[in-house]
Amino acid sequence: GQQVMQIPQYQHVQEGEDFTTYCNSSTTLSNIQWYKQRPGGHPVFLIQLVKSGEVKKQKRLTFQFGEAKKNSSLHITATQTTDVGTYFCCGNFGNEKLTFGTGTRLTIIP
Amino acid sequence: DSGVTQTPKHLITATGQRVTLRCSPRSGDLSVYWYQQSLDQGLQFLIQYYNGEERAKGNILERFSAQQFPDLHSELNLSSLELGDSALYFCASSVAWTGDYEQYFGPGTRLTVT
Repeated sequence: GQQVMQIPQYQHVQEGEDFTTYCNSSTTLSNIQWYKQRPGGHPVFLIQLVKSGEVKKQKRLTFQFGEAKKNSSLHITATQTTDVGTYFCCGNFGNEKLTFGTGTRLTIIP
Repeated sequence: DSGVTQTPKHLITATGQRVTLRCSPRSGDLSVYWYQQSLDQGLQFLIQYYNGEERAKGNILERFSAQQFPDLHSELNLSSLELGDSALYFCASSVAWTGDYEQYFGPGTRLTVT
């Protein structure tokens, strides 16, 4: 089936360290979206990547879409306590069935 | 505040029972998605409606059904409930059905089956 694998499942970092989460699909994606869910909250849209090799930045967050449109990454530079939460990628296989990755739960050690 | 509302916020019921979860999409959004999030698990796509019509189906059990009404609100019906159905149920809305528009999530309904 169409699956999106996301790693790592958990990541504990010291405040100020960098963080990266990766998503991989077995088949080409039409686009990929990233969401953040704070503890006790609901997912909130961060960004969408559509083009092969696309790189987008939002302040300390850098999002990349692979050349083959099968993988993506989210990198946070110099993490802060406000970055705590679970980060999900969401792959669109072009068949209207959106598939979320399993998420990476980020905790920050002050 | 995403503009998506879900009721009730919490629901506690017994096995074998039937419940209805309600979702009102953001103003102007025609598409509604339903997701199930179990403890420490990701978001499982259940079903999508666009302007009253079912557009896509995910891993939705036969005991579950949904519909979208003319005023665009949606209801998710869960019947013959089992302990394993305990989860957080989110609905999300989007302007289109194509999967390349931002989804706005509601606050969720936490269902506990005892």
